[in-house]
Amino acid sequence: QVQLVQSGGGVVQPGRSLRLSCAASGFTFSSYGMHWVRQAPGKGLEWVAVMSYDGSRQYYADSVKDRFTISRDNSASTLYLQMNSLRAEDTAVYYCAKSTLAKKATPYDYWGQGTLVTVSS
Amino acid sequence: EIVMTQSPATLSVSPGERATLSCRASQSVSTNLAWYHQKPGQAPRLLIYDASTRATGIPARFSGSGSGTEFTLTISSLQSEDFALYYCQQYNNWPWTFGQGTKVEIE
Repeated sequence: QVQLVQSGGGVVQPGRSLRLSCAASGFTFSSYGMHWVRQAPGKGLEWVAVMSYDGSRQYYADSVKDRFTISRDNSASTLYLQMNSLRAEDTAVYYCAKSTLAKKATPYDYWGQGTLVTVSS
Repeated sequence: EIVMTQSPATLSVSPGERATLSCRASQSVSTNLAWYHQKPGQAPRLLIYDASTRATGIPARFSGSGSGTEFTLTISSLQSEDFALYYCQQYNNWPWTFGQGTKVEIE
């Protein structure tokens, strides 16, 4: 069965960095685009970033552009989100999510369990 | 970016009744529209994509319609497990954007 297991969240001071990981299993990871989506406490969903199945394309939300970097290791079936220059407004539960259809930009049929990132001094 | 507006913010419905949720896009998204629901403490779950295609395992009481800028999610007969937050999302243009959500609560 499809599983997305996240790690790497925690408490970090403003301006510092953190890296999130999302280990995938149960499907051909290298065939699917993968996304990061976040949800601030008590708020709605915000799309953060996407990487295409082959790693050739990435897109970012304006709110994280030039600070966050999405990457993937298809040999290890793992997705990453490197978060630099963190701000208080980046505090949220971060989810990794899998595209529904292979090699096509489609919404998410499987989500990770979520990991809380708290940016606070 | 495309702004997605959901209405109403809260919908109070009795079990067994029909619920109709709306989602409006600030510009056309064709049929590149998805619906999710989310229960407290859980990740969202995909219900509908391509405006009207049910995701795998989603019961037939969920249906989606619309194109362009106006979309509707209908739950034909609400079950206890359907009381949750519902979000629409457009994936026609980057950045992909979500609506602010509609809470479906027990009347």
